[in-house]
Amino acid sequence: EAEVAQSPRYKITEKSQAVAFWCDPISGHATLYWYRQILGQGPELLVQFQDESVVDDSQLPKDRFSAERLKGVDSTLKIQPAELGDSAMYLCASSAGGGLLGTGELFFGEGSRLTVL
Amino acid sequence: GESVGLHLPTLSVQEGDNSIINCAYSNSASDYFIWYKQESGKGPQFIIDIRSNMDKRQGQRVTVLLNKTVKHLSLQIAATQPGDSAVYFCAENPSGTYKYIFGTGTRLKVLA
Repeated sequence: EAEVAQSPRYKITEKSQAVAFWCDPISGHATLYWYRQILGQGPELLVQFQDESVVDDSQLPKDRFSAERLKGVDSTLKIQPAELGDSAMYLCASSAGGGLLGTGELFFGEGSRLTVL
Repeated sequence: GESVGLHLPTLSVQEGDNSIINCAYSNSASDYFIWYKQESGKGPQFIIDIRSNMDKRQGQRVTVLLNKTVKHLSLQIAATQPGDSAVYFCAENPSGTYKYIFGTGTRLKVLA
């Protein structure tokens, strides 16, 4: 069964260090999302890609977070420098939606749990 | 493993009973909705979806009801099993966008 792959599953880092997360969406999915989920809350969108283009990064703290999807397939989310408040689950999701008409199921990876000490 | 949603609303049901989990969505322009199940330490798992041209959709042991008038979504789980214990989220998709907005979630506890 096709799935969204994420790594690493767990990351512990000290504040001010750099950290990176990787996501490989389901093959053929044009739309890729990065969400942050704080314990006890629902996922919140950080950035959305359509192929290699960013279509929504309004909630991405751009002073320290960056995301790219250079070839329109896999994606990397980077945090530099990490802060204590960045401790959360970082979820990648993908969808086959690729046009103005209709959306579809959003499939999630297992997430990357970040702990900043 | 760690817990997801330590301070979420909790619904406790007896094994074998039916569960009803509710969700109020925010955007009247939303026309597509998904229910997700999230187990501790894992990513959200798709359960069932519904489009706004429907008011009910059934899957295996699950039913989603949509009331657009009051912007309310519910997930019904029949014959709840211990494996159904998890946090459940609804997500709405505003028409014309690829944005999915998640609710705060409900923790379902199944009592043996």
